[in-house]
Amino acid sequence: GAVVSQHPSRVICKSGTSVKIECRSLDFQATTMFWYRQFPKQSLMLMATSNEGSKATYEQGVEKDKFLINHASLTLSTLTVTSAHPEDSSFYICSAPGQSTYNEQFFGPGTRLTVL
Amino acid sequence: AQSVTQLDSQVPVFEEAPVELRCNYSSSVSVYLFWYVQYPNQGLQLLLKYLSGSTLVKGINGFEAEFNKSQTSFHLRKPSVHISDTAEYFCAVSESAGRRALTFGSGTRLQVQP
Repeated sequence: GAVVSQHPSRVICKSGTSVKIECRSLDFQATTMFWYRQFPKQSLMLMATSNEGSKATYEQGVEKDKFLINHASLTLSTLTVTSAHPEDSSFYICSAPGQSTYNEQFFGPGTRLTVL
Repeated sequence: AQSVTQLDSQVPVFEEAPVELRCNYSSSVSVYLFWYVQYPNQGLQLLLKYLSGSTLVKGINGFEAEFNKSQTSFHLRKPSVHISDTAEYFCAVSESAGRRALTFGSGTRLQVQP
């Protein structure tokens, strides 16, 4: 199956700093990628849809100025958490749809963000 | 819009016993249905999917699920569980046409005890 990687796998930062998370499709192209957020013991919530060559689409309640998304190429999307605060601490997971028409998503391994 | 309900937040079961994890969904449009498994601090792995056709779907690791349109359910089953099946299980749906993002249920923690 298709492989999606994320980097870093874990990051700890101080409050007020910005953190960039990369999501790569390793063996296929992805014009669309999705960013999810998962709080401890909770489900995944869609944050935004990353679109190659155009602006990201954010879900209701997600601050686009805080969570900057850039889909720089057909294999790379980045999520930058700007001016991070402790409440931004979470598990961030990206996914990319495969080449089929049935919407199967291939998920990255996730990034654990801890803001002190 | 779609929604997914997983009624059981935790399911404890003894090794080699059968298990069923329940999932109900609601949607105003036709959907695809998925079950994913998540091991601690890892991403999600697809167990199985329902697209169309036979309502009984077989997946990896001995899991299967049955789509019931009238009850809007997609329950996951395994006839005999192993310790290694201990994980979080998520039911998810997506529109069969249109937006491809997934809507997830709240998850069910399967705890297999020796």
